[in-house]
Amino acid sequence: DTGVSQDPRHKITKRGQNVTFRCDPISEHNRLYWYRQTLGQGPEFLTYFQNEAQLEKSRLLSDRFSAERPKGSFSTLEIQRTEQGDSAMYLCASGTSSGGNIQYFGAGTRLSVL
Amino acid sequence: TQLLEQSPQFLSIQEGENLTVYCNSSSVFSSLQWYRQEPGEGPVLLVTVVTGGEVKKLKRLTFQFGDARKDSSLHITAAQPGDTGLYLCAGHLYNFNKFYFGSGTKLNVKP
Repeated sequence: DTGVSQDPRHKITKRGQNVTFRCDPISEHNRLYWYRQTLGQGPEFLTYFQNEAQLEKSRLLSDRFSAERPKGSFSTLEIQRTEQGDSAMYLCASGTSSGGNIQYFGAGTRLSVL
Repeated sequence: TQLLEQSPQFLSIQEGENLTVYCNSSSVFSSLQWYRQEPGEGPVLLVTVVTGGEVKKLKRLTFQFGDARKDSSLHITAAQPGDTGLYLCAGHLYNFNKFYFGSGTKLNVKP
């Protein structure tokens, strides 16, 4: 068990560019969550997958954000036309339906938009 | 307005002191979790409390879930520099597929 893996750990991009992050959950975890965390704040929920189905999406997720989990395993989070306000830590967590709502977090991807 | 309010926001204490961190809401949660996060890393789960009034202990850390399942506290006895970090509470609402996090308590334990 290697835990939740996120790639890349750090991403620096210029405003207007597109970026994509990847999350590999713990093997056989059917639940997957994306969060965004800015400095000095707790994580804010972005979206939730159960298997390949995206069951919930925050209003924080503008049209520039899209997430997929095509085969119910890894997930990607894409941000199009990045803005400076997108700079944050993007965290992925996974869990199981039978796991009592426990979620395990990855180390996150730190995005800096210049 | 955050669903979960944590207090205090910052805490700087000497090694050996005791402290309590609070997590309050007007909402009722099916479960509540406490995490510790270090800079540049993801949150690490410390405990999950599920039953109103439940008390759980993890070495020098004591967690309590309020009787009404709206609040929780984390008490650390004889704090050590290794306890330094950001402590986050997160609540899971009934019938919602997501967790709501508090804004965290940043703890600094000085040797």
